[in-house]
Amino acid sequence: QVTLRESGPALVRPTQTLTLTCSFSGFSLITSGMCVTWIRQPPGKALEWLALIDWDDDKYYSASLKTRLTISKDISKNQVVFTMTNMDPVDTATYYCARFTKGGGLDAFDIWGQGTMVTVSS
Amino acid sequence: SYELTQPPSVSVSPGQTARITCSGDALPKQYGCWYQQKPGQAPVLVIYKDSERPSGIPERFSGSSSGTTVTLTISGVQAEDEADYYCHSADSSATSWVFGGGTKLTVL
Repeated sequence: QVTLRESGPALVRPTQTLTLTCSFSGFSLITSGMCVTWIRQPPGKALEWLALIDWDDDKYYSASLKTRLTISKDISKNQVVFTMTNMDPVDTATYYCARFTKGGGLDAFDIWGQGTMVTVSS
Repeated sequence: SYELTQPPSVSVSPGQTARITCSGDALPKQYGCWYQQKPGQAPVLVIYKDSERPSGIPERFSGSSSGTTVTLTISGVQAEDEADYYCHSADSSATSWVFGGGTKLTVL
C-alpha cells in the first residue's frame, strides 16, 4: 500500500523559510519512473503545482516560484524535503505531497498525502 | 506560463450526464488527468492518460481528448459526485506541470 504523509510547522512568520517533509512508503524513489511532487492550495482556491523530484534526482520547479524553492530526497529515510524561502501571507495554503509516475506509468499524481495547512502570519 | 482553462461551474440534475472541459495548447502532445476534490479532503485521481480510469473509480467516470481539449464525462450523476474537479497536464516539454482553475460540479 502506497502512502505519503506531510509534516512541518503549522505557522510560519513572514520572511522565514518553510521546510516540509514528505514521508512515504510502498514505493522507492530509486525505481525508474517514480517521482514525488509538492502541490499547494490556498483556502478556497485552486491547486498549484510547485516542484517535483524524480528517481534520477532531476528536479523541476514552478517557473513563477523557482527562485524560492528547493526539493531534495533522502533515499535511506524514504523522505522528500521541500523548502520555500521568504514566506509571505499569500503563501498561506494547504501543502500536499503526491506520487507521480512517468515514462510508462500513469503520468499522473496517483497517490496524495492528506495535506498540511501552513499559515504565514506575524 | 502554460495554462489550462476550465469552466468555473457546471450544474446537473441527478441521473443526467455532466461534461467538464479543459483546454490547453499542449494537450495534443501531453496527456490530461482529472482529479475529484471534496471539501476538506485531498484530491483523488479519477482519470489519467486522457481516458484511463484507476481501479476503484466508478465506470460512470470517463474521459476523452480532442485536439486542445480534454473532457471529463460523468454519466448518471449521483449526489456523491458533487465536488470540485481539476484537470492537470504537463507543458509541451514535460518539465512543468499545471492544474486548471477547477470546476465546481453542483448536483441539483
